[in-house]
Amino acid sequence: EAGVTQSPTHLIKTRGQQATLRCSPISGHTSVYWYQQALGLGLQFLLWYDEGEERNRGNFPPRFSGRQFPNYSSELNVNALELEDSALYLCASSLDEGTEPYNEQFFGPGTRLTVL
Amino acid sequence: AQKVTQAQTEISVVEKEDVTLDCVYETRDTTYYLFWYKQPPSGELVFLIRRNSFDEQNEISGRYSWNFQKSTSSFNFTITASQVVDSAVYFCALAPGYSSASKIIFGSGTRLSIRP
Repeated sequence: EAGVTQSPTHLIKTRGQQATLRCSPISGHTSVYWYQQALGLGLQFLLWYDEGEERNRGNFPPRFSGRQFPNYSSELNVNALELEDSALYLCASSLDEGTEPYNEQFFGPGTRLTVL
Repeated sequence: AQKVTQAQTEISVVEKEDVTLDCVYETRDTTYYLFWYKQPPSGELVFLIRRNSFDEQNEISGRYSWNFQKSTSSFNFTITASQVVDSAVYFCALAPGYSSASKIIFGSGTRLSIRP
């Protein structure tokens, strides 16, 4: 069974540009989560999508946005890139909303975004 | 406020040594969940364990064991007879009960290096 896939593996952009990151969940998973892992800051929750709807977002500015498609794949868009957006962006999927007792989240390998 | 502290930023041991990764958490919830994840160099997080706040039994899985102590708000992880393949960053995480997986809070991680 294929795991969570993310593309691209690496992405290099300049300040002010837009970045689009993609995630395909495990087949049958309807929930997709996005996390930012900046150097030295651990994982910060970004966005959660379930059944095509944004269910929750972390403490990030509106220029971080995304969507979930009917096939449950997801896109993360980052507009007006800033240098501090450089990070590893991880996507995870789970079977459903991931409510208590927290269905296991399966993570992809991440997209490393570098903003110059 | 909820918080997870992994005071050990980096640990380096020689293969076959036992090693304990510390995790201290803060929460005012009476129902909560604790997790450990492993992040190998490939990037994706691998789920290791989930424990709810009502289950203080220690758990052993092969060379891995977890010691949950509510009295000290700690959820420590021990690897016995460490191997080079155990080299990774390990994250402890906390999630409130009666909520969604989007509320999971991760510690800053401990980088474990096992030297041959």
